[in-house]
Amino acid sequence: DAEITQSPRHKITETGRQVTLACHQTWNHNNMFWYRQDLGHGLRLIHYSYGVHDTNKGEVSDGYSVSRSNTEDLPLTLESAASSQTSVYFCASSSGNEQFFGPGTRLTVL
Amino acid sequence: AQSVTQPDIHITVSEGASLELRCNYSYGATPYLFWYVQSPGQGLQLLLKYFSGDTLVQGIKGFEAEFKRSQSSFNLRKPSVHWSDAAEYFCAVEVAGNKLTFGGGTRVLVKP
Repeated sequence: DAEITQSPRHKITETGRQVTLACHQTWNHNNMFWYRQDLGHGLRLIHYSYGVHDTNKGEVSDGYSVSRSNTEDLPLTLESAASSQTSVYFCASSSGNEQFFGPGTRLTVL
Repeated sequence: AQSVTQPDIHITVSEGASLELRCNYSYGATPYLFWYVQSPGQGLQLLLKYFSGDTLVQGIKGFEAEFKRSQSSFNLRKPSVHWSDAAEYFCAVEVAGNKLTFGGGTRVLVKP
């Protein structure tokens, strides 16, 4: 079955380190999204991509970057992790109007 | 700018009772509206969506929602909740380019 996976599921890192969160989907969807989930804020869009080599900034993109070298993957990189980036991160993909979400990565920055 | 408000942060309901979750949106154009459910430790699952047409939409797990343009609302309802409905529920509006703006979520607790 087609699916969307995220790794790692849990990550603890230190302030200032570079961290990359992986997102992989097997639906062959063109559109992919990264969100962060924080209490009281719901999910907020970090970056998104409409296809290979396309990337766009979302609402809360500062301190994050993405790259899209193939259809299946959209890794999210925190260039220099900060405590404010402690959160749960969700990746999603879509074809049409419905987005399908991964299981999430819980990131703690100490 | 578009926004979605879910006024209730927590709702506690008895098993078998009815449930209504409120959602208000602010968006200039005709909205595409969604309700998602998130069980503990899980990703988000789509419950239902509204694009156009009949303002009462049916979803999975016995949920329904009604779009009211005059009130800018898209409230979610279930006639009789089950213990398995305990979860967090998110309302969302699609803005240009297939992007979603989410409300802050409502956590539902179900009492036996």
